[in-house]
Amino acid sequence: EAGVAQSPRYKIIEKRQSVAFWCNPISGHATLYWYQQILGQGPKLLIQFQNNGVVDDSQLPKDRFSAERLKGVDSTLKIQPAKLEDSAVYLCASSLLSGRRPGELFFGEGSRLTVL
Amino acid sequence: GEDVEQSLFLSVREGDSSVINCTYTDSSSTYLYWYKQEPGAGLQLLTYIFSNMDMKQDQRLTVLLNKKDKHLSLRIADTQTGDSAIYFCYMGRRALTFGSGTRLQVQP
Repeated sequence: EAGVAQSPRYKIIEKRQSVAFWCNPISGHATLYWYQQILGQGPKLLIQFQNNGVVDDSQLPKDRFSAERLKGVDSTLKIQPAKLEDSAVYLCASSLLSGRRPGELFFGEGSRLTVL
Repeated sequence: GEDVEQSLFLSVREGDSSVINCTYTDSSSTYLYWYKQEPGAGLQLLTYIFSNMDMKQDQRLTVLLNKKDKHLSLRIADTQTGDSAIYFCYMGRRALTFGSGTRLQVQP
């Protein structure tokens, strides 16, 4: 079974530039999450999708961050314009709605963003 | 306070046992999970426990759950250098609830 795919793995940009990250979840997983992990901290949920609808985006800085999952499969997270404090690893995860262990998350390798 | 709290750092010698502790506030989860994060990688599921169990053993791993005190622990027997990583407890019901994780350092 293929895992969660993310790209790019690494991105370096200057502040005020824009960046986009892509995620393809495990086939059949209805729920998709984007997390921000700042160095030395645990993952913080930015947005949760169920199919192509948003379940929770309460911690997404909507003035600069946006995310979409148009067809209920892959997803894009965009930052525009980027700030220095956006330097972090952006993790995508997916899960089944129900099944053996509901709520179990499957993570991608992450996209590391450095803002200069 | 935070939804999930863990001590930040644990150092053990190779071959010793490691115990990583987690306290939580939300007791509504059916399953409670332990995830492992190696440097430069995403989180991987390590083990889990069903909420109506007190203990689960899985090879070198033992998970203990004290629901009264809302305390979850992970014991790693015969700790190896490959166990060096950050360990997160996770309450399956609320995707928000990752703590800061415990960094386990294993000294040869």
